[in-house]
Amino acid sequence: AQSVTQLGSHVSVSEGALVLLRCNYSSSVPPYLFWYVQYPNQGLQLLLKYTTGATLVKGINGFEAEFKKSETSFHLTKPSAHMSDAAEYFCAVSQNDMRFGAGTRLTVKP
Amino acid sequence: DGGITQSPKYLFRKEGQNVTLSCEQNLNHDAMYWYRQDPGQGLRLIYYSQIVNDFQKGDIAEGYSVSREKKESFPLTVTSAQKNPTAFYLCASSAGTGGLNYGYTFGSGTRLTVV
Repeated sequence: AQSVTQLGSHVSVSEGALVLLRCNYSSSVPPYLFWYVQYPNQGLQLLLKYTTGATLVKGINGFEAEFKKSETSFHLTKPSAHMSDAAEYFCAVSQNDMRFGAGTRLTVKP
Repeated sequence: DGGITQSPKYLFRKEGQNVTLSCEQNLNHDAMYWYRQDPGQGLRLIYYSQIVNDFQKGDIAEGYSVSREKKESFPLTVTSAQKNPTAFYLCASSAGTGGLNYGYTFGSGTRLTVV
């Protein structure tokens, strides 16, 4: 069965610092992987996705993620955090259906 | 613009009442989903539908019911059998079944509170 583990329920960074949100997946076949962002009292918005091809995927708002099959990871990064990046981030894996991680809340300090 | 509309945004329910949450999409997506979100638990699948007049239970279907009479609409009823209904409910849709390589489009959610 497919599953997703997000390491760290809460991550805090300073404005301008590197953002790194960790995601590991479990899947019996090559998966489709996604990152979503959720602002307070809103739905989820797709940030980026990996299906096939290039393992480094670029998304919206300057985020990117790298699919590493050997590490079963799909970590989300952004070189320089902005105050507007403060939100909750969800990693998801899809085979027959979409499975979401528990989420990581990102706080950005001025 | 195409998207998913959930209504109402906030809903209050008395003990023993059934309430229905609305979800409408104009994306021409075949598949629609209902998730429940509780703090620290991520999203849990309640029901999903891949085609009109057909739907399947997700992981936490007990105490909920759905219908899919039209492609655009997938309402969720929270029945009195649901013992802990206070949560944030999210509706989503996708062009392909299971989300596959399309990803999901989400509505803005309905926050249900039992009073």
